[in-house]
Amino acid sequence: AQSVTQPDIHITVSEGASLELRCNYSYGATPYLFWYVQSPGQGLQLLLKYFSGDTLVQGIKGFEAEFKRSQSSFNLRKPSVHWSDAAEYFCAVGPLLTGGGNKLTFGTGTQLKVEL
Amino acid sequence: EPEVTQTPSHQVTQMGQEVILRCVPISNHLYFYWYRQILGQKVEFLVSFYNNEISEKSEIFDDQFSVERPDGSNFTLKIRSTKLEDSAMYFCASSEGGSLSYEQYFGPGTRLTVT
Repeated sequence: AQSVTQPDIHITVSEGASLELRCNYSYGATPYLFWYVQSPGQGLQLLLKYFSGDTLVQGIKGFEAEFKRSQSSFNLRKPSVHWSDAAEYFCAVGPLLTGGGNKLTFGTGTQLKVEL
Repeated sequence: EPEVTQTPSHQVTQMGQEVILRCVPISNHLYFYWYRQILGQKVEFLVSFYNNEISEKSEIFDDQFSVERPDGSNFTLKIRSTKLEDSAMYFCASSEGGSLSYEQYFGPGTRLTVT
Protein backbone atom coordinates (compact mmCIF):
# COMPACT_ATOMS: atom_id res chain seq x y z
CA ALA A 1 0.00 0.00 0.00
CA GLN A 2 1.19 3.46 -0.74
CA SER A 3 1.85 5.87 2.12
CA VAL A 4 3.35 9.29 2.73
CA THR A 5 5.08 10.58 5.82
CA GLN A 6 5.61 14.23 6.60
CA PRO A 7 7.59 14.15 9.84
CA ASP A 8 7.25 17.84 10.66
CA ILE A 9 3.78 18.90 11.79
CA HIS A 10 4.74 22.54 12.35
CA ILE A 11 7.68 24.57 11.07
CA THR A 12 8.44 28.20 11.80
CA VAL A 13 10.93 30.18 9.71
CA SER A 14 11.86 33.83 9.47
CA GLU A 15 10.96 35.72 6.35
CA GLY A 16 13.88 35.57 3.92
CA ALA A 17 15.22 32.33 5.37
CA SER A 18 15.46 29.12 3.39
CA LEU A 19 12.91 26.37 3.79
CA GLU A 20 12.91 22.61 3.45
CA LEU A 21 9.81 20.50 4.08
CA ARG A 22 10.37 16.80 4.33
CA CYS A 23 8.38 14.07 2.63
CA ASN A 24 9.03 10.34 2.58
CA TYR A 25 6.92 7.92 0.63
CA SER A 26 6.36 4.21 0.43
CA TYR A 27 5.27 2.82 -2.88
CA GLY A 28 5.93 -0.45 -4.65
CA ALA A 29 6.47 0.94 -8.13
CA THR A 30 7.46 4.17 -9.79
CA PRO A 31 5.57 6.85 -7.92
CA TYR A 32 3.96 10.00 -9.12
CA LEU A 33 4.71 12.68 -6.51
CA PHE A 34 3.07 15.99 -5.75
CA TRP A 35 3.23 18.91 -3.40
CA TYR A 36 0.05 20.85 -2.70
CA VAL A 37 -0.45 23.99 -0.64
CA GLN A 38 -3.58 24.93 1.27
CA SER A 39 -4.12 28.45 2.52
CA PRO A 40 -6.82 29.04 5.15
CA GLY A 41 -10.27 28.72 3.63
CA GLN A 42 -8.83 27.70 0.29
CA GLY A 43 -8.65 24.48 -1.66
CA LEU A 44 -5.52 22.51 -2.45
CA GLN A 45 -3.29 24.21 -5.00
CA LEU A 46 -0.73 22.17 -6.90
CA LEU A 47 2.81 23.50 -6.38
CA LEU A 48 4.72 20.93 -8.42
CA LYS A 49 4.81 17.33 -9.54
CA TYR A 50 7.30 14.64 -10.48
CA PHE A 51 6.89 11.44 -12.43
CA SER A 52 10.04 11.03 -14.51
CA GLY A 53 13.07 12.80 -15.89
CA ASP A 54 15.12 15.37 -14.04
CA THR A 55 14.90 14.64 -10.33
CA LEU A 56 14.90 18.35 -9.45
CA VAL A 57 11.56 19.86 -10.40
CA GLN A 58 10.56 23.48 -10.36
CA GLY A 59 7.12 24.63 -9.34
CA ILE A 60 5.12 27.77 -8.87
CA LYS A 61 5.88 30.52 -6.35
CA GLY A 62 9.62 29.78 -6.42
CA PHE A 63 9.34 26.29 -4.93
CA GLU A 64 11.36 23.29 -6.03
CA ALA A 65 11.53 19.66 -4.95
CA GLU A 66 14.07 16.92 -5.37
CA PHE A 67 13.19 13.27 -5.90
CA LYS A 68 15.66 10.88 -4.29
CA ARG A 69 14.75 7.31 -5.04
CA SER A 70 17.43 5.87 -2.75
CA GLN A 71 15.96 7.74 0.21
CA SER A 72 12.31 7.50 -0.89
CA SER A 73 12.09 11.23 -0.38
CA PHE A 74 10.61 14.19 -2.20
CA ASN A 75 11.53 17.23 -0.12
CA LEU A 76 10.19 20.67 -0.92
CA ARG A 77 12.52 23.66 -0.82
CA LYS A 78 12.46 27.39 -1.23
CA PRO A 79 15.59 29.56 -0.99
CA SER A 80 13.88 32.60 0.52
CA VAL A 81 10.50 32.41 2.22
CA HIS A 82 7.94 35.18 1.95
CA TRP A 83 5.31 35.94 4.58
CA SER A 84 2.63 34.93 2.08
CA ASP A 85 4.03 31.38 2.05
CA ALA A 86 2.47 30.72 5.44
CA ALA A 87 0.07 27.85 4.79
CA GLU A 88 -0.26 24.10 5.11
CA TYR A 89 1.75 21.96 2.74
CA PHE A 90 0.80 18.45 1.69
CA CYS A 91 2.91 15.84 -0.03
CA ALA A 92 1.01 13.23 -2.03
CA VAL A 93 1.80 10.09 -4.01
CA GLY A 94 -0.15 8.41 -6.76
CA PRO A 95 0.36 5.54 -9.15
CA LEU A 96 1.48 6.03 -12.72
CA LEU A 97 -1.61 4.95 -14.58
CA THR A 98 -2.21 5.56 -18.22
CA GLY A 99 -5.48 7.26 -18.88
CA GLY A 100 -5.98 8.57 -15.40
CA GLY A 101 -8.20 7.86 -12.43
CA ASN A 102 -5.30 7.67 -10.03
CA LYS A 103 -6.14 8.14 -6.39
CA LEU A 104 -3.77 10.26 -4.38
CA THR A 105 -2.47 9.34 -0.95
CA PHE A 106 -1.65 12.37 1.15
CA GLY A 107 0.65 12.98 4.05
CA THR A 108 -0.62 14.59 7.23
CA GLY A 109 0.65 18.00 6.19
CA THR A 110 3.17 20.51 7.52
CA GLN A 111 1.91 23.83 8.86
CA LEU A 112 4.34 26.58 7.93
CA LYS A 113 4.49 29.76 9.98
CA VAL A 114 6.57 32.69 8.77
CA GLU A 115 7.90 35.20 11.27
CA LEU A 116 8.43 38.74 10.08
CA GLU B 1 -8.19 30.29 -15.33
CA PRO B 2 -10.71 27.45 -15.07
CA GLU B 3 -11.32 26.15 -11.57
CA VAL B 4 -13.31 23.57 -9.68
CA THR B 5 -16.17 25.04 -7.70
CA GLN B 6 -18.08 23.55 -4.78
CA THR B 7 -21.32 24.44 -3.06
CA PRO B 8 -22.18 25.05 -0.34
CA SER B 9 -19.02 26.20 1.40
CA HIS B 10 -20.45 25.11 4.74
CA GLN B 11 -23.29 22.72 5.47
CA VAL B 12 -24.72 21.97 8.89
CA THR B 13 -27.04 19.00 9.21
CA GLN B 14 -28.52 16.81 11.88
CA MET B 15 -27.47 13.22 12.34
CA GLY B 16 -29.53 10.89 10.17
CA GLN B 17 -30.30 13.49 7.53
CA GLU B 18 -29.33 13.21 3.89
CA VAL B 19 -26.92 15.73 2.40
CA ILE B 20 -25.83 16.41 -1.15
CA LEU B 21 -22.55 18.14 -1.79
CA ARG B 22 -22.17 19.69 -5.19
CA CYS B 23 -19.19 20.23 -7.42
CA VAL B 24 -18.66 21.70 -10.86
CA PRO B 25 -15.44 20.22 -12.29
CA ILE B 26 -13.37 21.92 -14.94
CA SER B 27 -15.34 21.67 -18.15
CA ASN B 28 -13.06 19.53 -20.33
CA HIS B 29 -12.02 17.16 -17.56
CA LEU B 30 -13.08 13.53 -17.65
CA TYR B 31 -12.08 12.17 -14.23
CA PHE B 32 -13.73 13.29 -11.03
CA TYR B 33 -12.88 12.61 -7.41
CA TRP B 34 -14.05 13.16 -3.88
CA TYR B 35 -11.69 13.38 -0.94
CA ARG B 36 -12.34 14.27 2.66
CA GLN B 37 -10.31 15.72 5.50
CA ILE B 38 -11.44 15.22 9.05
CA LEU B 39 -10.23 18.09 11.23
CA GLY B 40 -6.59 17.60 12.15
CA GLN B 41 -6.19 14.53 9.96
CA LYS B 42 -4.87 13.84 6.48
CA VAL B 43 -6.76 14.22 3.23
CA GLU B 44 -8.29 10.84 2.36
CA PHE B 45 -9.47 9.50 -0.99
CA LEU B 46 -13.13 8.54 -1.19
CA VAL B 47 -13.99 7.79 -4.79
CA SER B 48 -13.05 8.35 -8.41
CA PHE B 49 -15.55 8.54 -11.26
CA TYR B 50 -15.10 8.19 -15.00
CA ASN B 51 -17.43 7.63 -17.90
CA ASN B 52 -20.47 7.74 -15.63
CA GLU B 53 -19.31 5.06 -13.29
CA ILE B 54 -17.16 4.62 -10.22
CA SER B 55 -13.63 3.60 -11.20
CA GLU B 56 -12.27 3.19 -7.68
CA LYS B 57 -13.52 3.67 -4.14
CA SER B 58 -12.00 3.46 -0.69
CA GLU B 59 -13.16 1.53 2.34
CA ILE B 60 -14.65 4.75 3.66
CA PHE B 61 -17.04 4.92 0.72
CA ASP B 62 -19.68 2.53 2.00
CA ASP B 63 -23.34 2.15 1.08
CA GLN B 64 -24.17 5.45 2.77
CA PHE B 65 -22.29 7.29 0.04
CA SER B 66 -23.15 7.69 -3.61
CA VAL B 67 -21.93 9.86 -6.45
CA GLU B 68 -23.66 11.09 -9.54
CA ARG B 69 -23.12 13.25 -12.55
CA PRO B 70 -26.70 14.35 -13.08
CA ASP B 71 -25.93 16.59 -16.04
CA GLY B 72 -22.99 17.72 -18.13
CA SER B 73 -21.54 20.00 -15.51
CA ASN B 74 -22.31 18.89 -11.95
CA PHE B 75 -20.78 16.10 -9.90
CA THR B 76 -22.44 15.31 -6.59
CA LEU B 77 -21.68 13.36 -3.44
CA LYS B 78 -24.67 12.16 -1.45
CA ILE B 79 -24.55 10.91 2.11
CA ARG B 80 -27.84 9.15 2.83
CA SER B 81 -27.92 9.14 6.59
CA THR B 82 -25.23 11.31 8.09
CA LYS B 83 -23.30 10.32 11.19
CA LEU B 84 -21.31 12.47 13.57
CA GLU B 85 -18.10 11.02 12.16
CA ASP B 86 -18.99 12.28 8.68
CA SER B 87 -18.13 15.79 9.88
CA ALA B 88 -15.21 16.82 7.70
CA MET B 89 -14.08 19.01 4.85
CA TYR B 90 -15.03 17.40 1.54
CA PHE B 91 -12.95 18.23 -1.52
CA CYS B 92 -13.92 17.63 -5.11
CA ALA B 93 -11.21 17.30 -7.74
CA SER B 94 -11.03 16.73 -11.46
CA SER B 95 -8.42 15.80 -14.03
CA GLU B 96 -8.11 15.52 -17.78
CA GLY B 97 -7.89 12.21 -19.55
CA GLY B 98 -4.89 10.82 -21.38
CA SER B 99 -1.32 11.68 -20.51
CA LEU B 100 -2.38 14.86 -18.72
CA SER B 101 -4.68 13.05 -16.36
CA TYR B 102 -2.31 13.00 -13.45
CA GLU B 103 -2.84 16.55 -12.32
CA GLN B 104 -5.84 16.79 -10.09
CA TYR B 105 -7.34 20.21 -9.58
CA PHE B 106 -9.11 20.67 -6.28
CA GLY B 107 -12.06 22.80 -5.32
CA PRO B 108 -12.17 24.96 -2.17
CA GLY B 109 -14.08 22.32 -0.22
CA THR B 110 -17.37 22.01 1.62
CA ARG B 111 -17.20 21.92 5.38
CA LEU B 112 -19.84 19.47 6.61
CA THR B 113 -20.85 19.65 10.24
CA VAL B 114 -23.12 16.91 11.57
CA THR B 115 -24.78 17.68 14.90
